[in-house]
Amino acid sequence: GNSVTQMEGPVTLSEEAFLTINCTYTATGYPSLFWYVQYPGEGLQLLLKATKADDKGSNKGFEATYRKETTSFHLEKGSVQVSDSAVYFCALTAPSGGYNKLIFGAGTRLAVHP
Amino acid sequence: NAGVTQTPKFQVLKTGQSMTLQCAQDMNHEYMSWYRQDPGMGLRLIHYSVGAGITDQGEVPNGYNVSRSTTEDFPLRLLSAAPSQTSVYFCASSGVTDTQYFGPGTRLTVL
Repeated sequence: GNSVTQMEGPVTLSEEAFLTINCTYTATGYPSLFWYVQYPGEGLQLLLKATKADDKGSNKGFEATYRKETTSFHLEKGSVQVSDSAVYFCALTAPSGGYNKLIFGAGTRLAVHP
Repeated sequence: NAGVTQTPKFQVLKTGQSMTLQCAQDMNHEYMSWYRQDPGMGLRLIHYSVGAGITDQGEVPNGYNVSRSTTEDFPLRLLSAAPSQTSVYFCASSGVTDTQYFGPGTRLTVL
């Protein structure tokens, strides 16, 4: 079946450090891939997405590249800020599962300290 | 444009009680869904709807009921609450693209 695996947290970084959160997936066909972010006490917001192999999604300094050969969609940011502290979810929608059914990873909590 | 709204924000129930979580969207989206969020498990799909009058089960539908009488509203009913239904519930909607917009969530505790 379709599934998403992302690195366990929490991830604790100092401000201006480099961030990588790993995400790999299993899916039939060609899924769309997403990163959602959940700030404390809020719902999920779409951070970025990519819909085909080698596409790079980017937003607010974050980026992720759809790698079909390694079935990965790792999230990166060159210099994190305290305001980036949140929970990050990798997710996919797959043609076999219905294009609007999101399948989520477990989430990775990021804490950034001044 | 309010987006996706959910009420209530917090609710405490006793085992066996029933209640309805409300969800509404003002973006004229055809697709709406309910997820539950549990620690270490991400979000899991409970039920979804592809349009008014059409609903279907997701990954964890047991103990929940839905209906979709209008495009705007998609309530989630707990018929007889159990402690295992203690969770945070999110409603989401999407239109012609596969980008989903989430509500702020309802935190439910069942004692």
